[in-house]
Amino acid sequence: DAGITQSPRHKVTETGTPVTLRCHQTENHRYMYWYRQDPGHGLRLIHYSYGVKDTDKGEVSDGYSVSRSKTEDFLLTLESATSSQTSVYFCAISGGWASGREETQYFGPGTRLLVL
Amino acid sequence: DAKTTQPPSMDCAEGRAANLPCNHSTISGNEYVYWYRQIHSQGPQYIIHGLKNNETNEMASLIITEDRKSSTLILPHATLRDTAVYYCIVRASGGYQKVTFGTGTKLQVIP
Repeated sequence: DAGITQSPRHKVTETGTPVTLRCHQTENHRYMYWYRQDPGHGLRLIHYSYGVKDTDKGEVSDGYSVSRSKTEDFLLTLESATSSQTSVYFCAISGGWASGREETQYFGPGTRLLVL
Repeated sequence: DAKTTQPPSMDCAEGRAANLPCNHSTISGNEYVYWYRQIHSQGPQYIIHGLKNNETNEMASLIITEDRKSSTLILPHATLRDTAVYYCIVRASGGYQKVTFGTGTKLQVIP
């Protein structure tokens, strides 16, 4: 399995509080992604990164921000959590810096977030 | 990315081969077929991928038809641990790629 960890693995928070989820990789992959998974919606892309300090929005980015100050870490922040952001969040990585041809995405174990 | 069609569920006896079909009739020439699975509450797990040739690794085999409009994932000796939702995905190569999961096939391996 690819070396991807996510923290925390479970979190309960209250509406209106900020929350930061961390994705850490040991594979030196170029691309990193944040998805959320909800019943009936499958996986939906929130944000992705194509390099250090290079990020872009996915299809459901409202209410989320990201940062990548190091190759190995990709942070997802919910500025002011809402109940609609209760979900399972998955980080994924892909892509080598040199060839740029490795396309397979590898997923982390997920973070279960409950916003009360 | 091309759309895929999979049966919603399948059963397989433990120890037997599980053959999971996928239709992707609108696949383009530069699009790969990928298979992932997701065991309950875990992150999606990459299984195998291919372009036009059949592929085999330690987990499974992938058979792609000559016209590339359909494929079959084969788990040669299914175990109870293979019970999961299996996703067939078709996507082009190159740089950033969003993975779009459909509804997949729920495989139940029966003792």
